[in-house]
Amino acid sequence: DGGITQSPKYLFRKEGQNVTLSCEQNLNHDAMYWYRQDPGQGLRLIYYSQIVNDFQKGDIAEGYSVSREKKESFPLTVTSAQKNPTAFYLCASKNVREETQYFGPGTRLLVL
Amino acid sequence: DQQVKQNSPSLSVQEGRISILNCDYTNSMFDYFLWYKKYPAEGPTFLISISSIKDKNEDGRFTVFLNKSAKHLSLHIVPSQPGDSAVYFCAASGSDMRFGAGTRLTVKP
Repeated sequence: DGGITQSPKYLFRKEGQNVTLSCEQNLNHDAMYWYRQDPGQGLRLIYYSQIVNDFQKGDIAEGYSVSREKKESFPLTVTSAQKNPTAFYLCASKNVREETQYFGPGTRLLVL
Repeated sequence: DQQVKQNSPSLSVQEGRISILNCDYTNSMFDYFLWYKKYPAEGPTFLISISSIKDKNEDGRFTVFLNKSAKHLSLHIVPSQPGDSAVYFCAASGSDMRFGAGTRLTVKP
């Protein structure tokens, strides 16, 4: 059963704490993406990766970091430098030869 | 810099009638357009797409129309069903992908 999984579904962050959101895909897709969704707004690109061990900043990369050590995995770390982290975070992947991105179920991050 | 705009935040239609969701874009370099459907607390699911070389693409009850000269695309759902109630995002792809803010569709029984 191919797909994209994100965990956890809900995540709570304390002040000054770094948290990591997991994204795994078994679709054999080369490219992976992280988006942030805020109420009433479209999806904004945080980081993306077209190939293992390489990634690029999106429009709102400040306060976030990523790694791409394996093709299947693209974890996102929300650092303490991100002052407004409360949002719904979506991971997506696609085959580089196609246009359609496929999304995971999302992680909602809340600040305590 | 909103390159993709969905100017109607919400739309309400009666079951069985047509739903028309609109989307405008500003960047003429976009060459592929997609519609996604999203339920609360879930990820968007791909619905239908269209290449810039076409002006219409149909898949069952869903049809997407593209007017390149007006930089406008629309999604038609006929007939609308209560299960279609969701937020619909349009997206435009070129060197990267840009999303609109979404339109919440409510289909009333």
